[in-house]
Amino acid sequence: DIQMTQSPSSLSASVGDRVTITCRASQGISNFLAWYQQKPGKVPNLLIYAASTLQSGVPSRFSGSGSGTDFTLTISSLQPEDVATYYCQKYDRAPRTFGQGTKVEIK
Amino acid sequence: EVHLVESGGGLVQPGGSLRLSCAASGFTFSGYVMNWVRQAPGKGLEWLSGIDVAGNTYNADPVKGRFTISRDNAKNTLYLQMNSLRAEDTGVYYCAKSFSSSTRYFDYWGQGTLVTVSS
Repeated sequence: DIQMTQSPSSLSASVGDRVTITCRASQGISNFLAWYQQKPGKVPNLLIYAASTLQSGVPSRFSGSGSGTDFTLTISSLQPEDVATYYCQKYDRAPRTFGQGTKVEIK
Repeated sequence: EVHLVESGGGLVQPGGSLRLSCAASGFTFSGYVMNWVRQAPGKGLEWLSGIDVAGNTYNADPVKGRFTISRDNAKNTLYLQMNSLRAEDTGVYYCAKSFSSSTRYFDYWGQGTLVTVSS
């Protein structure tokens, strides 16, 4: 099975900072990659699909890139409401594995 | 508006069984792939099982042979039958709808139901 590895596991940044999270697949998955945001105590929420397509209603400060095995989620200007754990997920075929998550906090 | 409402969670002893349900509304349930995802306390998301529109099922290795996903399209309900439960099965169980049969990221999630496996 393909493994999904995120880095870093956690980060602390200041409001307004540019934040980058990386997700690596152990084998190529084309662009079948989604990103989810889970705020504390809440249900996961879809941010990005097809590696770089923003879900409707998601702020434009979020962006995604990558293809094959290496993917990136970027928050261009971190806001207090972005405090959350972010997960990547492969959805090309089962198992639809998630990365282990990246916890984002405000410094 | 899409709604997914899980039920059936609770406290169960190791080795016991539980059946979770997910009542769906706001979309044509029979036309979509559905999934179960769990989250152990303080841990990340773990995809468990999926079922497509033809009834084909897919399971993660940790639950193969113990958990069974099924659907009743007449009742717009997704199920997860969980047998031989272990302490490590403790967590919040979410049902999630896939965007389409050919594009299976999860566009809607339920609120989750808590399963606790403990003696």
